[in-house]
Amino acid sequence: DSGVTQTPKHLITATGQRVTLRCSPRSGDLSVYWYQQSLDQGLQFLIQYYNGEERAKGNILERFSAQQFPDLHSELNLSSLELGDSALYFCASTFSGSDTGELFFGEGSRLTVL
Amino acid sequence: TQLLEQSPQFLSIQEGENLTVYCNSSSVFSSLQWYRQEPGEGPVLLVTVVTGGEVKKLKRLTFQFGDARKDSSLHITAAQPGDTGLYLCAGPTILSSGSARQLTFGSGTQLTVLP
Repeated sequence: DSGVTQTPKHLITATGQRVTLRCSPRSGDLSVYWYQQSLDQGLQFLIQYYNGEERAKGNILERFSAQQFPDLHSELNLSSLELGDSALYFCASTFSGSDTGELFFGEGSRLTVL
Repeated sequence: TQLLEQSPQFLSIQEGENLTVYCNSSSVFSSLQWYRQEPGEGPVLLVTVVTGGEVKKLKRLTFQFGDARKDSSLHITAAQPGDTGLYLCAGPTILSSGSARQLTFGSGTQLTVLP
């Protein structure tokens, strides 16, 4: 158990819909990362927050957005969903947000878009 | 973008065999990490290598960082079914100008150890 909690574990929805994925980081961790994992693209970095502020953006689509709240939990919002958005979405956390530190991953949210 | 290429993509071996998987890049990395991901789980860190030529051992797993810090390898001795999983290497990468460095992952090696 990494200490990172993600909900929901599984989500099935239709194209055009909007979903919200939630992440609670490890106790004391200030930085949250979102990654997307698909069979053809591997594990792709989406976005990072540190203590409520956006720190870095990766290959995140404009239809996607995220935020980190004062209690440090984070939400990833996916809108106008397309079939190609079907993937595993992982949240990870660290204390400092250092690029050489260990990332602690949650178990992921599996999104299926039909 | 600094790409990390992993090989082989898939590897299926019998219990007790030895194996090596590779992580290569044309770019220099300040450090590389290796993670293992099991079905239904998120990746879990195995090791971080930071010095060119460094060798780290974790029980039956031996990790090496290339002298030029462009590549790394993972050698498993006497593989066991419990070693089955997706092995990912990752290194800090600057994704865009002015952005903080982020961990970029290779595409992984899916290892299956048959009993």
